Parts: sequence; C-alpha cells; structure tokens
Amino acid sequence: QVRLRESGPGLVKPSETLSLNCSLSGGSVSSGGYYWSWIRQRPGKPLEWLGHMYNTWTKFYNPSVRGRCAISGDKSKNQFSLQLDSVTAADTAVYFCARAQAFNSETGALHFFDYWGQGALVTVSS
Amino acid sequence: VLTQSPKFHFAIPKEKVSITCRASETIGTNLHWYQQKQGQPPKLLIKYASQSVPGVPSRFSGSGSGTDFTLTISGLESEDFATYVCLQTRNFPLTFGGGTSVGIK
Repeated sequence: QVRLRESGPGLVKPSETLSLNCSLSGGSVSSGGYYWSWIRQRPGKPLEWLGHMYNTWTKFYNPSVRGRCAISGDKSKNQFSLQLDSVTAADTAVYFCARAQAFNSETGALHFFDYWGQGALVTVSS
Repeated sequence: VLTQSPKFHFAIPKEKVSITCRASETIGTNLHWYQQKQGQPPKLLIKYASQSVPGVPSRFSGSGSGTDFTLTISGLESEDFATYVCLQTRNFPLTFGGGTSVGIK
C-alpha cells in the first residue's frame, strides 16, 4: 500500500523559503513509472499543480511558480521535497504531495494522481 | 482553464445530481473526477472521463469528451455530500476545476 506523508514547518516568514518533505512508503521515488508531484490548495482557490519529477532527475514546473520552485528527490531517504523561494502571504496553502503513473517519462505527461498525502498547512506570516 | 458548474448544489438523499466541467480547449478524454471532503486529500472517482475506478460505488459515472464533461451521481447517499473537482492532464500546466460543493437541501 502506497503512503505519502508531508512534513515541514507550518509557519514561514515572508521573503523566506518554504521547504516541505514527502516521505514515501510502499514504493520508491527512484523506481520508474511514476511522477512524484506537489499540488497546493490556497484558501478559496482551485487546487494548483506546482510541479513533478520523474526518478529524481526529470522535472516539470507550473509557469506560475517556475523560477522560485524546486522539486528534488533523496533516494537514500525515499522522499522528495519542495522548495518555494521568496514566499508571500499568497503562498499560504495546504500543500499535498501525490503520485501519478507516468504516460511518458520524457515529456512530463502523466495519467492521473492516484495516491495523495494528507496535506500540510503552511502559513506565510511575520 | 476548467470551468465547473454549478459552484454549489443543494440536494436531498437519493436525488440524481449532475455536475459539469467545461475545458477552454479540447482535451480529448484526459479529464478525471475527484471527491474531496473537508480536511482530506482528493479521492479519485472517475478516470479518463468515463472509466470507473476500483472501489468507487457504481452510482458515480462520467461522460463527455473534447471540451464538455459531466459527473453524475445517481442516487445521492449521505456520504456523498462533499466537493467534486475535475482535473485535466492533456495540457501543461495541469489544471483543476474550481470545484462543486454538494450540500444537503
């Protein structure tokens, strides 16, 4: 059974970096066939896909956060991470990590998100 | 862009409910439906517009292709009062609809 769990600070100051980890059990971030993704849900806004990675080296990002968003993987810890730089109050959200089966490992195309973490609330405030 | 309607729908148990999701450009059948309850992550209900998902009750069904899609709940149960969200995976960036909240009338 695949399980994902987000962890990280629940409060981040404006202009600082938001960092979250997603621990995976029942699977491996370095195995092929899946995209490991970050999605957020801001208050009153639709879910927003932030980006995903394949096998820790191929990465795709939403233009809305490209340039200040980085997703990375740690095979030894079997986890993947999200870093979001220069945060503002608009980045306050519940952040989810999720898995999707890859449709094409080179283009970023995937099928759908089948497993999700429970979500981590991150508030940006001084 | 995915536009869902209605934003809110109030219904009674056993009622048939239909929710629509319209895409701003054609996406084939790369449209998936999720159910989300307060404080929980989304749960996959229907994949590829109309394909059933193991473990999901048969009262949930989907239809459509191209730009217009419908999720139907035939016979609302008490546990179905929740928010329903569509997701398109045809084009980048991947996008979600704004959600339809189904509440008790």
